[in-house]
Amino acid sequence: AQTVTQSQPEMSVQEAETVTLSCTYDTSESNYYLFWYKQPPSRQMILVIRQEAYKQQNATENRFSVNFQKAAKSFSLKISDSQLGDTAMYFCAFKGGGSNYKLTFGKGTLLTVNP
Amino acid sequence: GAVVSQHPSRVICKSGTSVKIECRSLDFQATTMFWYRQFPKQSLMLMATSNEGSKATYEQGVEKDKFLINHASLTLSTLTVTSAHPEDSSFYICSATEAGGARHEQYFGPGTRLTVT
Repeated sequence: AQTVTQSQPEMSVQEAETVTLSCTYDTSESNYYLFWYKQPPSRQMILVIRQEAYKQQNATENRFSVNFQKAAKSFSLKISDSQLGDTAMYFCAFKGGGSNYKLTFGKGTLLTVNP
Repeated sequence: GAVVSQHPSRVICKSGTSVKIECRSLDFQATTMFWYRQFPKQSLMLMATSNEGSKATYEQGVEKDKFLINHASLTLSTLTVTSAHPEDSSFYICSATEAGGARHEQYFGPGTRLTVT
């Protein structure tokens, strides 16, 4: 079974600075998908960024980028120019490459952006 | 696009009663929907997977007779908590995947906060 580990329960960063959230996973599959979801205080899950394992290029979405290290099974999220609205729980998630859309979530990292 | 709604957003019920939560995909057809439970400051815990027109698949430890799931159409799944007790109080989230979707994503509803008194 796949596992997803987020080793940082809580992190904080000053507004406008850069922060990196860690995520490692374990799988025997070669094709899979990785996601970072944000859950703000409203508790609505919001997709931040996704990465297909077959793509070598790291995904980027505006201020959000990932460092995907397939051999090391690492998938970290970098948030640049942090904003107060980035304060949220961040969940790393894994999906296998088959037709099963089931996600395996990490335990989450609570990020606080300080003014 | 890819909007999922849940109703109600909050519900309070008395112990022993049943409560139904609806999950709808508003602008796409969802062949598969998922139901999660989330305790404060914890991750999402998958309860069950429902496919349109077939019985739901429950995760280990989830009582299928207590948490009834019906996925009657490609846009609607319901979760009924039967004979609710205070320990069922939680935040329930549904998600849906688009039929034939190439992005392999789950689209999440806004959640339902259930309080059992």
